[in-house]
Amino acid sequence: QKEVEQNSGPLSVPEGAIASLNCTYSDRGSQSFFWYRQYSGKSPELIMSIYSNGDKEDGRFTAQLNKASQYVSLLIRDSQPSDSATYLCAVKKSGGSYIPTFGRGTSLIVHP
Amino acid sequence: NAGVTQTPKFRILKIGQSMTLQCTQDMNHNYMYWYRQDPGMGLKLIYYSVGAGITDKGEVPNGYNVSRSTTEDFPLRLELAAPSQTSVYFCASSYVAGTYNEQFFGPGTRLTVL
Repeated sequence: QKEVEQNSGPLSVPEGAIASLNCTYSDRGSQSFFWYRQYSGKSPELIMSIYSNGDKEDGRFTAQLNKASQYVSLLIRDSQPSDSATYLCAVKKSGGSYIPTFGRGTSLIVHP
Repeated sequence: NAGVTQTPKFRILKIGQSMTLQCTQDMNHNYMYWYRQDPGMGLKLIYYSVGAGITDKGEVPNGYNVSRSTTEDFPLRLELAAPSQTSVYFCASSYVAGTYNEQFFGPGTRLTVL
């Protein structure tokens, strides 16, 4: 099992819909979870971080963490074509140095 | 704040040449990282540093070297460039405290080795 797994997609949603991106991780003791957005040809940009179970909302974005089931998800409400990008999930495992492990990313396409 | 800056933006090297990718951050972050990203392959950690004078290998360190003499700068040295080093290189930094570890990335350097 990969340490951080994401469906590569592409995930295609119509404009205005809710996009749901999922990420699972293997280390049960993982402590910190991040979502990055990466436009084609650009660098990753942090959009959400979550450290405890439950939901965290920021504008149109909601991160959901379930440590018992070892998954973290990102919901994008009222999806816009400008949300079309690759979304990277990163997880900081328990112990050791503060080096997050990245998933390969999910490509999201929002069509008008 | 300029954040994390990288130079150059693009570079073409011939096989066997060497070069240094520059990375500077002005956020007084303690941790700095170098990643490479190949198409569809995600980010792979090359080297990282937890503070000035302290560096450690990541997942794919072969063919690269780093140094960190100041908090701000973390250059990546490529010796004897090979076609396998063709990639996009990202530098990142973070302020690590407890479980807090949000990374901020530079704009990247696109390197081609021919």
